[in-house]
Formats: sequence, C-alpha cells, structure tokens
Amino acid sequence: KQEVTQIPAALSVPEGENLVLNCSFTDSAIYNLQWFRQDPGKGLTSLLLIQSSQREQTSGRLNASLDKSSGRSTLYIAASQPGDSATYLCAVADTGFQKLVFGTGTRLLVSP
Amino acid sequence: DVKVTQSSRYLVKRTGEKVFLECVQDMDHENMFWYRQDPGLGLRLIYFSYDVKMKEKGDIPEGYSVSREKKERFSLILESASTNQTSMYLCAAGWSGRSDEQFFGPGTRLTVL
Repeated sequence: KQEVTQIPAALSVPEGENLVLNCSFTDSAIYNLQWFRQDPGKGLTSLLLIQSSQREQTSGRLNASLDKSSGRSTLYIAASQPGDSATYLCAVADTGFQKLVFGTGTRLLVSP
Repeated sequence: DVKVTQSSRYLVKRTGEKVFLECVQDMDHENMFWYRQDPGLGLRLIYFSYDVKMKEKGDIPEGYSVSREKKERFSLILESASTNQTSMYLCAAGWSGRSDEQFFGPGTRLTVL
C-alpha cells in the first residue's frame, strides 16, 4: 500500500529565505505527483503537477522535482514571502483512476 | 480554471440524521472524488466515480454512499450520521483528457452532535 511522508512537519523561516520541502513515497509505480497548498479552514489549491516521466516543473518562484526511482520529490520555494505561509501537501496518483494518496503536510510559517 | 463548488461551507447535524453533501464541477472532468480530512490522519479517500452512475470504494467507505446521476454532480450521503463523522469533507474533480490535475472544492466542515 502506498505511503507518503513529508518532512519536516513544520517549518518557520524569515522572509526572503529559500526553502525546500520534502516528500517521499514507498511505491514508485505512480501516474503523477501533485503539490498543493492549503490555507487554514480552506480547500486545496493545486500548485504543480509532475507526470511520472518528468523530472521537474516550475511555476514562478516554485520548482518541484521528482525522482521516481528513489521515491522522492522536493518543492523549492525561492525568496519566501509571508503570503507563502500555509500547509503544503504532496500527493501521488496511482496508475488506475488516479486516486491520490496524500502526505500529512508541512506547515510553513514565513515571518516578516 | 476548473471550478469545483460544494453546497455548504459549514453544516451541523444531529446523530442519526441523513446528510447530503453536494459537489458540482464545471469543466467536464471524468473523475470525481470525495475525501475527508482529519487532524493527524490527513486526507483519506472515501469514494470516487469515473463516469456517470459508476462508483468505487476508497479507503474508508463505511457509513457513506455516493450518487452520480449527472457528469458534473457527485453527492456524498451519510445514511445515519454519527459523531465520528465530524470532519472536513473535500470534493475533487480530475482528468479531462487535457489535464491530469485534480481540482478541489472549498470543503464542507460537518459537525455531528
């Protein structure tokens, strides 16, 4: 059964720092991997999707990488801002109906 | 952008009541999903549907049922609500043939008293 782990569980940084969030998964037979952001009490916002054949995706200050063989993904956030404060979730989709298995998230706080 | 809407942001029900949570998507996505989110347990899949009238159990289907009579609408039904079903419920839609992204609704915070 697929298991997804995110490290660290919480992270606090000053504004302007570059940071890396980590995600690992146990079964490399995935269809894709998606990073989400969740603000308190709200739904999930899709940030980046990496297909299983891709190595990385970029959107603005965000860069996500995927190493399927080792079961790892990282989300790099450049020049962090207080507005980046949220919980970041990593999820892997299976090769059938693309059901997502989620990690428990990294809670990020960026202080001014 | 895909828009996924859920019928209520907050809902309070009594034990034993039948509860309907509605989800509507506007981008012709084939797959729709219901998840629940609990502190310390993360998001877990309850049910999903890959086509009209088709449904499959997820990881925690007990106490729930679903209905998908139209492509854009996916309903989650709590047949007899219990206090352990107090949770945040999130609906998602995905796969249109153009994109594999899953898009989520704003969530329904359900409290069962």
